Amino acid sequence: GAVVSQHPSWVICKSGTSVKIECRSLDFQATTMFWYRQFPKQSLMLMATSNEGSKATYEQGVEKDKFLINHASLTLSTLTVTSAHPEDSSFYICSRTSGHGEQFFGPGTRLTVL
Amino acid sequence: AQSVAQPEDQVNVAEGNPLTVKCTYSVSGNPYLFWYVQYPNRGLQFLLKYITGDNLVKGSYGFEAEFNKSQTSFHLKKPSALVSDSALYFCAVTLGFQKLVFGTGTRLLVSP
Repeated sequence: GAVVSQHPSWVICKSGTSVKIECRSLDFQATTMFWYRQFPKQSLMLMATSNEGSKATYEQGVEKDKFLINHASLTLSTLTVTSAHPEDSSFYICSRTSGHGEQFFGPGTRLTVL
Repeated sequence: AQSVAQPEDQVNVAEGNPLTVKCTYSVSGNPYLFWYVQYPNRGLQFLLKYITGDNLVKGSYGFEAEFNKSQTSFHLKKPSALVSDSALYFCAVTLGFQKLVFGTGTRLLVSP
């Protein structure tokens, strides 16, 4: 069964609004989770590493103030896309580590900004 | 810096035939290598990994991959393809249990 869930699975919002995406580790307390972004027909790009109880580590080129990450508990990380614009439309995927090297991924959230 | 190359955007194979999806990597150190599969509008599913040990790694759904250090390759293989194997396949590399670096993906199309 799924070990990582995401909510919502898809969301449509108006330009200028904020959208929160939740990522839950269902069977494991995850001190570290990851957020990726995937454009159509492209690979996954790591956006940030979410650290429980501390600030997220963002990859180069990712705007911290635009993509707010909160990892307030060992089973929940959230990504908030603030003041969303059409160019933020994408597929957002989170993951957690297994402890053995591989990562387990959530089913993804399709964001469409009108 | 770590990088992964998947030279083929798409691989076409007939059902029942063997399939190979290519992956080469570049890292300074001992790599941890992974294959993931993605179905449309879904997250990634883990197929197999190489950490250490046997160069031939067996994974889910009958897939296997061979780690070749001299050629810095980690090609994904399956002896007999199924139509249901049609999906997007990603190779990934990491040094230790750090963040994953993904290849650009290869679309596998298996025809009946």
